[in-house]
Amino acid sequence: DTGVSQNPRHKITKRGQNVTFRCDPISEHNRLYWYRQTLGQGPEFLTYFQNEAQLEKSRLLSDRFSAERPKGSFSTLEIQRTEQGDSAMYLCASSPRAENTGELFFGEGSRLTVL
Amino acid sequence: EDQVTQSPEALRLQEGESSSLNCSYTVSGLRGLFWYRQDPGKGPEFLFTLYSAGEEKEKERLKATLTKKESFLHITAPKPEDSATYLCAVQAWTSGNTPLVFGKGTRLSVIA
Repeated sequence: DTGVSQNPRHKITKRGQNVTFRCDPISEHNRLYWYRQTLGQGPEFLTYFQNEAQLEKSRLLSDRFSAERPKGSFSTLEIQRTEQGDSAMYLCASSPRAENTGELFFGEGSRLTVL
Repeated sequence: EDQVTQSPEALRLQEGESSSLNCSYTVSGLRGLFWYRQDPGKGPEFLFTLYSAGEEKEKERLKATLTKKESFLHITAPKPEDSATYLCAVQAWTSGNTPLVFGKGTRLSVIA
């Protein structure tokens, strides 16, 4: 399978714990995006990378959230001191072409439940 | 602030009953409008890109159209496998890459 891969698919944690999600984009896609989606809502942009550079972060991304993309390949999204409001589906997407940046290839998401 | 409003929130159709989904948008200069399909528990899947008013795109039973204020996704003679949430998103023109702004989606159910 050469699609976008996300792990873990499901994570249940207690409030206050740290969690990390990993995204492996389609190989040679230089743009990588993180979105968050809650029930009944559309995806909300969190951050994006072009190669290894993090070029934009949403105001939604509090100081407890950090994302990295070392070497411009896979990416990780870490949430520190989780809160119940962090419960959501975290979606990763990648894109190959600078001129058509709206055509995103999404992974199946990582669902986070904070108890 | 860029905004996308989709209606209806949910739509239930009989198999073969054609209908349309609406996406109204406000954006500071439209770079592109995008339609995605999302199945339960999965990530969105890209369907169409529309760039300018009057443009139309088709794929199987789906046709997307664009005006200066809204887009429609027309579904002709739908089948149960068309059941999904359909998401509309816009991207604004800026000097760099701007992220997509999504609507809440329309949840479509097609009953056999």
